[in-house]
Amino acid sequence: DIQMTQSPSVLSASVGDRVTLSCKASQNINKNLDWYQQKLGEAPKLLIYFTNNLQTGIPSRFSGSGSGTDYTLTISSLQPEDVATYFCFQYNSGWTFGGGTKLELK
Amino acid sequence: EVKLVESGGGLVQPGRSLKLSCAASGFSFNDYWMGWVRQAPGKGLEWIGEINQDSSTINYTPSLKDKFTISRDNAQNTLYLQMSKLGSEDTAIYYCARGGYSAPFDYWGQGVMVTVSS
Repeated sequence: DIQMTQSPSVLSASVGDRVTLSCKASQNINKNLDWYQQKLGEAPKLLIYFTNNLQTGIPSRFSGSGSGTDYTLTISSLQPEDVATYFCFQYNSGWTFGGGTKLELK
Repeated sequence: EVKLVESGGGLVQPGRSLKLSCAASGFSFNDYWMGWVRQAPGKGLEWIGEINQDSSTINYTPSLKDKFTISRDNAQNTLYLQMSKLGSEDTAIYYCARGGYSAPFDYWGQGVMVTVSS
C-alpha cells in the first residue's frame, strides 16, 4: 500500500504569506495526486487535480507541483478564507489520502 | 446545479447493518464514476470505494471489502453504500462524491453521520 505523509501537520501563517504544504508518497505515484480543502464543518472541496491542474472556480493563488514521490500545494498569498485542513490524495496504486495539514492564521 | 444528497444515516447497534443513499441531480448520473469517502470524528479522510458507470467495476479499500457494498441505480440517479457488521470504528461522516478511477472527486455531498453504539 502507498502511504501518503503530509507535513507539517499544523501550519500557522499570516495573511499575505506564501505558504507551502508538502505531501510525500512512499513510492512513485506518477503525478496521480489531487489536493482537497476542507473547512470546519464542511465537505471537502477539490482544489488541484493531477498534481498541477487548478479546478474551475478555485483562486489562482493556489497552485500545485511535484513529481515522483514529492508534491507541494502552494498558496501564493494567504487569505483569511484559506483557513482549513488540506488533504492530498493519490490514485496511482490503490487510493490513499494523506493525514492532512491544518492551516491556521498566526 | 450539481447536487449530491446523502441519507440513511443515524444511530445503529454494533453488528447491525445500514444502507446509505446518495441522490444525484444536475448532471447525467450514468456518465460518471461515483465514490464514497468517510471521516471519523476529528480524523482525516478515508477512501471507501468507487463504482463505474454501468456497475461493471467496483473498487474497495481492502480493509472494508468484506463489510461494505457499493451499488447504483442509474434509473433513480442514486448511489448506495450497504454496510454490514458495523463496529464502533465505522462511526463517521460518510460522503458520496462524483468521480473516481482517474477522475477527481469534483462534487461532494454534505455528508451523513453514522454512529455505531449500543
